[in-house]
Amino acid sequence: QVQLVQSGAEVKKPGASVKVSCKASGYTFTSYGIIWVRQAPREGLEWMGRISVYNGNTNYAQNLQGRVTMTTDTSTNTVYMELRRLRSDDTAVYYCARELPLLYSSLQEDYYYGMDVWGQGTTVTVSS
Amino acid sequence: DIQMTQSPSSLSASVGDRVTITCRATQSISSFLNWYQQKPGKAPKLLIYAASSLQSGVPSRFSGSGSGTDFTLTISSLQPEDFATYYCQRSFGTPPLYTFGQGTKLEIK
Repeated sequence: QVQLVQSGAEVKKPGASVKVSCKASGYTFTSYGIIWVRQAPREGLEWMGRISVYNGNTNYAQNLQGRVTMTTDTSTNTVYMELRRLRSDDTAVYYCARELPLLYSSLQEDYYYGMDVWGQGTTVTVSS
Repeated sequence: DIQMTQSPSSLSASVGDRVTITCRATQSISSFLNWYQQKPGKAPKLLIYAASSLQSGVPSRFSGSGSGTDFTLTISSLQPEDFATYYCQRSFGTPPLYTFGQGTKLEIK
């Protein structure tokens, strides 16, 4: 079945970096993009960015530009999200999700995308 | 940048109630709007895409409507398993940016 399996929990000190992996299985890896979303404790969902697995193109949330990098390894069907210069407010559960084109709009000449499969989440704790 | 605002932030209701949650965008996003359900400790689940299309496997008591800047998620008859937090998400732009609303927590009255 289609699934995304993420790497395990991390504890980091402020100023360090963390790299979270998201391994895909059950579908053609290069056919769909992957997005990353995080959720701080007792807070809502925050979109971090997306990567086209097909060509490696990335788009990041403005507030994370310069600190986040998303990459892919097509030999292992894995997407990585690296966040640098960690701060205490980066403490969160980090999710990857598949970006699925669900419907085509002939009017907009574009697809409606949704996130249909999610990883289990990776807890990243930033603490001195 | 386009921002998404949901209302209310929290809502108390009873099993069998009809519930409506609203999401507003600061600029038109056509119908590029998704709705998700999230239960504590779990990943979000896609309910509605393209503002009004029901994702496969989602019960028909869930429905979505709207276009432009104003959208609604309606649950026609609340079931015990529907008590959760709901998020809207824009999927507009080339490439799309996927900003979420702040969430609406649906609690049992």
